This record gives sequence, C-alpha cells and structure tokens, in this order.
Amino acid sequence: AQKVTQAQTEISVVEKEDVTLDCVYETRDTTYYLFWYKQPPSGELVFLIRRNSFDEQNEISGRYSWNFQKSTSSFNFTITASQVVDSAVYFCALIVIKAAGNKLTFGGGTRVLVKP
Amino acid sequence: DTEVTQTPKHLVMGMTNKKSLKCEQHMGHRAMYWYKQKAKKPPELMFVYSYEKLSINESVPSRFSPECPNSSLLNLHLHALQPEDSALYLCASSQESYRNTEAFFGQGTRLTVV
Repeated sequence: AQKVTQAQTEISVVEKEDVTLDCVYETRDTTYYLFWYKQPPSGELVFLIRRNSFDEQNEISGRYSWNFQKSTSSFNFTITASQVVDSAVYFCALIVIKAAGNKLTFGGGTRVLVKP
Repeated sequence: DTEVTQTPKHLVMGMTNKKSLKCEQHMGHRAMYWYKQKAKKPPELMFVYSYEKLSINESVPSRFSPECPNSSLLNLHLHALQPEDSALYLCASSQESYRNTEAFFGQGTRLTVV
C-alpha cells in the first residue's frame, strides 16, 4: 500500500518570502510518479508538477522548484518569492501504475497563507 | 485544452431525491475518475473508469452509481443519500499510458444533502 505524509498542516508567510512544502512517501513499488497539486478556494485541483521514480533531477519552473530524493523518500516543493495568489492548499500525491487504473494517493495537504 | 467540466457546480438535495452529477472532457483521455472530498481533507477515490469500463470501485455504497456513456462523459447518479454524503465531488481524467499520468480535475460539485 502507498502512503503520503505532509507534516505541515498550515504555513503562513508574508509576500515575497519563500515557502517550502515537505512531502514524504512510502511505496514498495520501484516505478511510481509523484505530483504536486494546488487547490485554491474555488475547489479545482490544479496540476503543478510531476516527477517519475527514475528521474531524480531537480528542476526549476518559474517560481516553482522541487527536490526529489529517493534515498529519503522525499519530494519537497518550493515557491520562491510568494504572492498572495499562491494562497491555497497544496497536495503531494503518488501514483503506482496498475493495470486496473491509476490511483492517486494524496497527502493530507498543507494550507499556505500568503499575507500582503 | 486541459479542461474538465463538471455540472452542476452546487447541488442541494433531500434524502429522498434522485440527482446526477455530470463530467465531460475532450482531451482524448481514456481514464476518468470520481473523487469525494470532505472539508479540510484530501480527495478520496471513489471510482475509476478505464476505456469506458469500471475498473476500480473503492467499496462505495450503492446509493452512488457511476456511469460512463462514452469516452468523454462520466456521470454519478445519486439516490437516497445521507447528510454525511455532503462533500465536494471531483471528476478527473488522465491518459492511460506510462508516460502521461497526471490527472486533470474539474472544479467539482459542492453537494449538500438535507
């Protein structure tokens, strides 16, 4: 069975500060995908980034960056120079590909509040 | 176009009512999903359709009945619901491939059972 843990339930920052969200996962499968989703108050889950288990290269995309470390089963996500529009709940999620269908396992979510 | 459209956005129904939630995508995705999300909780998977066939049912009560009329549409029929079924119901779709696995979600239907 898979498990995703987001230890931080809520983070509050002032605009322009950097925010790092922690994610730790558990799976026995060797092939899996990790994701970060953003859920603003409107309710829609917005896909942000994906990383597969064979690619530990860390990247930067605009103000987003991520740090994937298989050795510690962590997939942390950073928002640089936060803005008020970044206020949302952020979910880390894991997929193990199965023949019956892909099942996303979500972490508990981290609420980010960016104050002006 | 990476849009999943859900209707209605809000729904209030009594415990004896029958209603349906609708979901539509035109991305050519062959997998579609229903998730249920309670307040301040992560989404929980209910059903997965793969190539228009039900492939996963996460032991959901029979008062929730999914239907996939074609590859672009997904319905969730509701009957005799309980107040504890009030939640945000999210539809999602994804490619059925090993390379494109991200799911795209709709804005959800906020359901209130009275």
